[in-house]
Amino acid sequence: GQQVMQIPQYQHVQEGEDFTTYCNSSTTLSNIQWYKQRPGGHPVFLIQLVKSGEVKKQKRLTFQFGEAKKNSSLHITATQTTDVGTYFCAGLRYSTLTFGKGTMLLVSP
Amino acid sequence: EAGVAQSPRYKIIEKRQSVAFWCNPISGHATLYWYQQILGQGPKLLIQFQNNGVVDDSQLPKDRFSAERLKGVDSTLKIQPAKLEDSAVYLCASSLGTLGYEQYFGPGTRLTVT
Repeated sequence: GQQVMQIPQYQHVQEGEDFTTYCNSSTTLSNIQWYKQRPGGHPVFLIQLVKSGEVKKQKRLTFQFGEAKKNSSLHITATQTTDVGTYFCAGLRYSTLTFGKGTMLLVSP
Repeated sequence: EAGVAQSPRYKIIEKRQSVAFWCNPISGHATLYWYQQILGQGPKLLIQFQNNGVVDDSQLPKDRFSAERLKGVDSTLKIQPAKLEDSAVYLCASSLGTLGYEQYFGPGTRLTVT
């Protein structure tokens, strides 16, 4: 079946440092979605990427979709303590969304 | 706009007992999902409904898990009998459609099987 892998599993940064999480799929995807889950909370949708090579920005967050539509990345510039949480990528193939295991981000003030 | 509602929020049962979870999606959302999230992992899709029909239940352990969405609105997920490894958070989500729509998640039900 379809597999979506994320690295790293965990990252601890100082406030102000940058952060990147990478997502790789075993199969070509229709699109990729990113979600954020705060500790004790539920996943909240951040963004969807559809086109090959697409880049989207949301304030300090930059999302990229690979040319082959099998990988993606999320980069946060100058992290803040409010960025704490687990970031999941989820790949859509046919009508099923498969989530990666997520990258947990800790930010120390 | 009201979000996805789930109940109960917490449940503790003994192994071999049965349990049921309820979900009410956002009004107008045709697609409803049940996910299982084990601590430290991403949500794993159990079943996906489009209105009252099943789109994908390939990862649902059908010998013990069942789900229904009879009127195409709210849904129930049942586990009978429960096993220790069923301890997890059960998340319900809904979306306008199946292809390329963002999913809105409910708060989840934390199940502990002892």
